[in-house]
Amino acid sequence: GIQVEQSPPDLILQEGANSTLRCNFSDSVNNLQWFHQNPWGQLINLFYIPSGTKQNGRLSATTVATERYSLLYISSSQTTDSGVYFCAAPTNFGNEKLTFGTGTRLTIIP
Amino acid sequence: NAGVTQTPKFQVLKTGQSMTLQCAQDMNHEYMSWYRQDPGMGLRLIHYSVGAGITDQGEVPNGYNVSRSTTEDFPLRLLSAAPSQTSVYFCASSYRGQTYGYTFGSGTRLTVV
Repeated sequence: GIQVEQSPPDLILQEGANSTLRCNFSDSVNNLQWFHQNPWGQLINLFYIPSGTKQNGRLSATTVATERYSLLYISSSQTTDSGVYFCAAPTNFGNEKLTFGTGTRLTIIP
Repeated sequence: NAGVTQTPKFQVLKTGQSMTLQCAQDMNHEYMSWYRQDPGMGLRLIHYSVGAGITDQGEVPNGYNVSRSTTEDFPLRLLSAAPSQTSVYFCASSYRGQTYGYTFGSGTRLTVV
């Protein structure tokens, strides 16, 4: 199955800073998703982005499928952005089963 | 409210006890799955189902059973709890065809003593 790696594992930023989180995957994908796990443990789907770029407010994501990576951008960070960000890709191409990376823990300091 | 509902939110079991974690969704999603989350290991797939009557194993299925008698419900059974099953369990659902993202339940924190 696919391998999914995220970097950096931890990121501490001042409020207002910008950040870029990276997700590398080992095989071709037709499905790449980003999730945010808030400090209370709830997992929220941020983006379904198998290719191209999407934006949602201060967050945007870009997937370059041919080079097997995806980036999550967070601009003008707020304390509510704190938590763990996961990317996930199908375990096998065309399958609904997702393999998750180990996440990036983002801490925004006021 | 539409979404994925998990019960209970917290549970403490003694080694050897059995229990069922409940998961229900009201979005008519065909695909449902159970994950466990352990520190530093992300989410690992336990079992999944692509429709009523169809289930299959994920990455870490040992010690767990599932069934899918209806589209809405996908319970996870621990037959004989072990301390290694202490974890946070998440249920998720989605449409088939991957045109939409996953929706997760709020999780069940299980401690086995």
